[in-house]
Amino acid sequence: EPEVTQTPSHQVTQMGQEVILRCVPISNHLYFYWYRQILGQKVEFLVSFYNNEISEKSEIFDDQFSVERPDGSNFTLKIRSTKLEDSAMYFCASSYEGSGGYTFGSGTRLTVV
Amino acid sequence: GNSVTQMEGPVTLSEEAFLTINCTYTATGYPSLFWYVQYPGEGLQLLLKATKADDKGSNKGFEATYRKETTSFHLEKGSVQVSDSAVYFCALSLNTGGFKTIFGAGTRLFVKA
Repeated sequence: EPEVTQTPSHQVTQMGQEVILRCVPISNHLYFYWYRQILGQKVEFLVSFYNNEISEKSEIFDDQFSVERPDGSNFTLKIRSTKLEDSAMYFCASSYEGSGGYTFGSGTRLTVV
Repeated sequence: GNSVTQMEGPVTLSEEAFLTINCTYTATGYPSLFWYVQYPGEGLQLLLKATKADDKGSNKGFEATYRKETTSFHLEKGSVQVSDSAVYFCALSLNTGGFKTIFGAGTRLFVKA
């Protein structure tokens, strides 16, 4: 069964450093998403991406965050200057049609120290 | 605004017991509704979905019916197994723009042998 792949599985970074979280969505999917989950609690929407541009973003997704699909297969989330409160599990997801439900990756645990 | 409310956990059941996890939603327009499951240390997996009123989604013995009149999408299973122990998330997608999905807070289920 096709999978969404995320790397790394765990990243530890110093406060103020830049991090890039990487995702390889399912190859024929058209919609791409980043969500985060803090301490196994609520799953929070960050951003949706379609047709090579952001289609929607949340209040959390401020100027510190950016997304790219640099080569038609990878989908990356960059956090420019990490804060302690950015520590969370970050999930990438993709879907073929927006309303059909997502396939999630297994996540990257980001720890900011 | 758009939101999902689900019953607080944890829910603890014995094997073969009947499961109900309540979920209600508030939404503008006509959302699609979903249940996702998260096993320990993993990403979310789509369990079932319903895209319009009176639709019943089902998978692996789980069922939920889209009730527009009560704005509900309760998850049920007739006989739970230890392997069903996980966190269950009710969610809605607004079928517009970026097809953002809004998640409930999650309900943790423990099934005892």
